[in-house]
Amino acid sequence: EVQLVESGGGLVKPGGSLRLSCATSGFTFSAYSMNWVRQAPGKGLEWVSSISSSGTHIYYADSVKGRFTISRDNAKNSLNLQMNSLRAEDTAVYYCARDPSGALTGFLVDWGQGTLVTVSS
Amino acid sequence: DIQMTQSPSSLSASVGDRVTITCRASQGIRNDLGWYQQKPGKAPKRLIYAASSLQSGVPSRFSGSGSGTEFTLTISSLQPEDFATYYCLQHKSYPLTFGGGTKVEIK
Repeated sequence: EVQLVESGGGLVKPGGSLRLSCATSGFTFSAYSMNWVRQAPGKGLEWVSSISSSGTHIYYADSVKGRFTISRDNAKNSLNLQMNSLRAEDTAVYYCARDPSGALTGFLVDWGQGTLVTVSS
Repeated sequence: DIQMTQSPSSLSASVGDRVTITCRASQGIRNDLGWYQQKPGKAPKRLIYAASSLQSGVPSRFSGSGSGTEFTLTISSLQPEDFATYYCLQHKSYPLTFGGGTKVEIK
């Protein structure tokens, strides 16, 4: 069974940093592209970033480009999101999601339960 | 960027009703579209991929259609467990973009 478990969320002040992780199991992590998607309280879904299976290809939403960095550790079966220069508008539940391919297809098939990031002074 | 316009933003329906939700893309996306269901406090769940293919394990009352710029999700006979918010997602190109969501409520 595919399992995705996010961690690292919490309360941070504007301008601060936070590192999210997504621990995975039940599939060969190194063979699949991965993604981060967020959802602000009471709002819709917003794609944040994607990384190919090898880490060679990466995409970011304009809203986070230059502030967030996606990475993966295929030896540890984990996905990360380093978030710097956080703003109030980054407040959201952050989900990691699996792509059913090593290439970046955008087919978000499996999702974790999310971790809440709150940016507030 | 490809914009996804989803309608309606909310609807009220009764158990047994037929429900249709529409997503329009700002440019052609072939059939590179998925539909997701999200219940409060839960992660989204994929229902439909490639615009019309039913995800394994999803009840057959859910169906998707369309290609190019206009897509629909149909629930043929609404069940109590179907009250949720539904989103479309285009993956023709990055940035991936979601529709604004449709909240299906009990009438």
